[in-house]
Amino acid sequence: AQKITQTQPGMFVQEKEAVTLDCTYDTSDPSYGLFWYKQPSSGEMIFLIYQGSYDQQNATEGRYSLNFQKARKSANLVISASQLGDSAMYFCAMSPFGSASKIIFGSGTRLSIRP
Amino acid sequence: GAGVSQSPSNKVTEKGKDVELRCDPISGHTALYWYRQSLGQGLEFLIYFQGNSAPDKSGLPSDRFSAERTGGSVSTLTIQRTQQEDSAVYLCASSPTSGGEGNTQYFGPGTRLTVL
Repeated sequence: AQKITQTQPGMFVQEKEAVTLDCTYDTSDPSYGLFWYKQPSSGEMIFLIYQGSYDQQNATEGRYSLNFQKARKSANLVISASQLGDSAMYFCAMSPFGSASKIIFGSGTRLSIRP
Repeated sequence: GAGVSQSPSNKVTEKGKDVELRCDPISGHTALYWYRQSLGQGLEFLIYFQGNSAPDKSGLPSDRFSAERTGGSVSTLTIQRTQQEDSAVYLCASSPTSGGEGNTQYFGPGTRLTVL
């Protein structure tokens, strides 16, 4: 069975600092994709970044990067130079690599940026 | 281009009534997904469609829940004889292709269902 674990229910970070949101996963699938989504207080789910299990390099998208450590089964999200608008819930998620499939989500981390 | 749209944005109903929630995926996206999110919780998978067929209905909580998709596009989630525990935000998502990064799901704004 697949499982995503996010151990930080809430985090407070000073504006302009970097922040790392932890995510570990468990799966028996040989290939899989890892995702991070942001959910602001308005409720929409915003796709941030994707990492394939076969990718040799860590994914980056602007201020977001994914610290992928396959052997440790971790896929931490790093946000550089945090901004007030980064305050939101962040969900780590995973799906098998094959055909279209549901995404399994973690329980989320609430990130609050202090001015 | 247009994103995923859902209607209504809010629905208040009385216990025991039936409700229909609609999702319009991004044009050209082959896969469509329904999730449920209770207040302060993570996302709970309900069902997904590949084209008009539903390979995975494992998340539907009871036989009061059903969904269909027609023409490989619009989907409707129906909840019969609603109960108070059905109150949640129902999120729809679509993905462009199957597999790998093509499975990245883009979400609609959700329908907030309140059962009185």
